[in-house]
Amino acid sequence: EVELEQSGAEMKEPGESLRISCKGSGDRFTTSWIAWVRQMPGKSLEWMGIVYPEDSDTKYSPSFQGRVTMSADKSRNVAYLQWSSLRASDTAIYYCARHRQFLVGTMYYDALDLWGRGTVVIVSA
Amino acid sequence: DIQMTQSPSSLPASVGDRVTITCRASQNINNYLNWYQHKPGTAPKLLIYAASNLQTGVPSRFSGRGSGTDFTLTINGLQPEDFATYFCQQSFRPPPAFGQGTNVDVK
Repeated sequence: EVELEQSGAEMKEPGESLRISCKGSGDRFTTSWIAWVRQMPGKSLEWMGIVYPEDSDTKYSPSFQGRVTMSADKSRNVAYLQWSSLRASDTAIYYCARHRQFLVGTMYYDALDLWGRGTVVIVSA
Repeated sequence: DIQMTQSPSSLPASVGDRVTITCRASQNINNYLNWYQHKPGTAPKLLIYAASNLQTGVPSRFSGRGSGTDFTLTINGLQPEDFATYFCQQSFRPPPAFGQGTNVDVK
């Protein structure tokens, strides 16, 4: 069964750097866009952007552009989300998810069809 | 950006109930609407894509309807494993925004 395995919880101080990971098992990982989704405490889900592990192409939500970097290592079937300088406001659960296009009739529809269990990131002094 | 608004935010219910959650888009999104189920500490799960198409493996008691700006997710005969938070998401135009979630909990 295909799974997305995310790295463990992190506790960091403001200003520190961090990289979290999402490892895919099974096939199609490197040829599927991988999305990152943030859930701040008590809040809804926010789509941060996507990375294509096959060539590391990325697309960011304007809200996260410049704040985070998404990357991938296709040889290891891993996608990464990293920060160079964390803020307290980065405290959240971060999910990776596989982006898939569904064909319905003659139209394609995008959805996130497989998710990881999330990585808890706590940033506090 | 397109905004998604769900109602209610909390929905107390009992096993066997018919439950309906509403999602409204701030502009026409045709049928580019997905529904997800999420339980704390677990991976969110895709239930429905393109407004009304059931994802493989999802029980038939789940159904989705709607087009344009107004959508619904219905659970016919709520089961114990259905107590969770449900999110809608538009995929019409990036960024693909989510609704704020509806928590279906025990009445």
